[in-house]
Amino acid sequence: GDSVTQMEGPVTLSEEAFLTINCTYTATGYPSLFWYVQYPGEGLQLLLKATKADDKGSNKGFEATYRKETTSFHLEKGSVQVSDSAVYFCALSPLSGYSTLTFGKGTMLLVSP
Amino acid sequence: DVKVTQSSRYLVKRTGEKVFLECVQDMDHENMFWYRQDPGLGLRLIYFSYDVKMKEKGDIPEGYSVSREKKERFSLILESASTNQTSMYLCASSLESYEQYFGPGTRLTVT
Repeated sequence: GDSVTQMEGPVTLSEEAFLTINCTYTATGYPSLFWYVQYPGEGLQLLLKATKADDKGSNKGFEATYRKETTSFHLEKGSVQVSDSAVYFCALSPLSGYSTLTFGKGTMLLVSP
Repeated sequence: DVKVTQSSRYLVKRTGEKVFLECVQDMDHENMFWYRQDPGLGLRLIYFSYDVKMKEKGDIPEGYSVSREKKERFSLILESASTNQTSMYLCASSLESYEQYFGPGTRLTVT
């Protein structure tokens, strides 16, 4: 079945540092890929998405590129802020069937001033 | 803005009680979902519904049931709550674009 693997956290960075959170997936066909973010005490919010190979999703300074050859969708940000502290989830959705999502286990990011 | 609301943010129930978790969305979405979130396990799909009165099992449906009598409302039912159902429960809804919108979650404790 489909699966998503993320790097384990927590990831601890100082403000203005460069962020990478790795995500790889296993799926049949060409799924859509997503990054969701969960701030403390809240539900998940969609951060960015990519629906086909080589697409780059971007939002709020975060970027991720859909790499079919390496089955990856790594999340990057050039300069993190304290307000980026949250849990980040990588997820995929198959092209066919119902629009269910398969999530990774989440990566906690802690940014200190 | 899409809004997904859940009936309670925190809930404490006793073992054996019947528990209802309610979810309402205001954007006329066809699809609705129930997940549970546990540390180290991420989000796991319990049930989903793609239309009124329709339901499909997710990855971990055991011990749960659902009801969708109206398009905007999707209820999760724990017929006889057990301590291993202590968790954060998240509801979501979507159209066909696969982008899901989440509620704030209900933290359920079963004692």
